[in-house]
Amino acid sequence: RKEVEQDPGPFNVPEGATVAFNCTYSNSASQSFFWYRQDCRKEPKLLMSVYSSGNEDGRFTAQLNRASQYISLLIRDSKLSDSATYLCVVDPNDYKLSFGAGTTVTVRA
Amino acid sequence: SQTIHQWPATLVQPVGSPLSLECTVEGTSNPNLYWYRQAAGRGLQLLFYSVGIGQISSEVPQNLSASRPQDRQFILSSKKLLLSDSGFYLCAWSVSKKSRADTQYFGPGTRLTVL
Repeated sequence: RKEVEQDPGPFNVPEGATVAFNCTYSNSASQSFFWYRQDCRKEPKLLMSVYSSGNEDGRFTAQLNRASQYISLLIRDSKLSDSATYLCVVDPNDYKLSFGAGTTVTVRA
Repeated sequence: SQTIHQWPATLVQPVGSPLSLECTVEGTSNPNLYWYRQAAGRGLQLLFYSVGIGQISSEVPQNLSASRPQDRQFILSSKKLLLSDSGFYLCAWSVSKKSRADTQYFGPGTRLTVL
């Protein structure tokens, strides 16, 4: 079983729509959680950390459900510039991070 | 502020040739350093990580090696490249924490094509 699993998508949504997707993680001892964004042929960049109580950053909302071991990301009022691959990242309590394979979002005009 | 550099940005090499990719970090001391590979359309594969000078942990057996000759320098090498070594190589750094990972920050990557 993979440590972090994501629906690869693609999620094709019109501008202004809301899109949400989850990822699941296998290690219940995981301590830290992140969402990264990766544009085509570019390096991943930190989008936001995910806190136990859930957190927002502008149009982006992240939620953590420890009991069910999943993390979600919701994007409101989608912009064309939100088109990217979103990587779910988990700290399984050692020196390394575990990266999901990514969920691709395409926002169309 | 911290910055991370990688070079070259792109590289085309013949099968069997050697490889040396370099990564340097500025603006921080004693970072954890990481090498990843991303094959086309795939997720990130951790190749090596280092928590200090001369300390290298290998994640995947392969014909690659890594070295950390200085605190903020991380080098990925190969003596003989294989076709399967093609991919997007990413270096990353994080703040050093005992037994824990932290947010990782990536360099711009090197796109390697082995022909």
